[in-house]
Amino acid sequence: GENVEQHPSTLSVQEGDSAVIKCTYSDSASNYFPWYKQELGKRPQLIIDIRSNVGEKKDQRIAVTLNKTAKHFSLHITETQPEDSAVYFCAAKLGFGNEKLTFGTGTRLTIIP
Amino acid sequence: SQTIHQWPATLVQPVGSPLSLECTVEGTSNPNLYWYRQAAGRGLQLLFYSVGIGQISSEVPQNLSASRPQDRQFILSSKKLLLSDSGFYLCAWSVRVGDAYNSPLHFGNGTRLTVT
Repeated sequence: GENVEQHPSTLSVQEGDSAVIKCTYSDSASNYFPWYKQELGKRPQLIIDIRSNVGEKKDQRIAVTLNKTAKHFSLHITETQPEDSAVYFCAAKLGFGNEKLTFGTGTRLTIIP
Repeated sequence: SQTIHQWPATLVQPVGSPLSLECTVEGTSNPNLYWYRQAAGRGLQLLFYSVGIGQISSEVPQNLSASRPQDRQFILSSKKLLLSDSGFYLCAWSVRVGDAYNSPLHFGNGTRLTVT
């Protein structure tokens, strides 16, 4: 079945440095890749997404890149701030009528002041 | 704008007791609806999803069930809770669109269930 692997499981970054989280997926038909941020005790919230016809998307300090050939996509956070500390989940959705999102196992990002 | 309501926010139930969690969506019609569970410090496990009234797909065979009695209402139930049912239950919705476009999931605030 479809599978999404996410690395690393934990990441500590000095404030102001960049953080990169990587995900790989197994189904070549996957065509939608959102990223969610979950703060402690709260619901996951969408921070950025990318579709398979796009290689890169940027929104201020956050960017996502997609390599369909290699079946991997990455989240990049630049100029990290303490409020970026959270758990980040990647996800992938199969194309053509599949209504499910398969999530990665999450990355706990800690920004060190 | 669309909103999703989920209740209760927290729940403590004894083993063997029944469960009913409710979720409603406002501001949209014919949404896809989902129930996820998150164990402490873990990822998101899809339990059920629904693409229409009375249409339920189960992802994980267990003692839980889901129902969609109305277009924007999704209910998660159990007749007898197990200790392993403890977790953070999240309802979510997405716009149902054609193959040419994919829409993200929008989560409710969740229900933290503790089975004692």
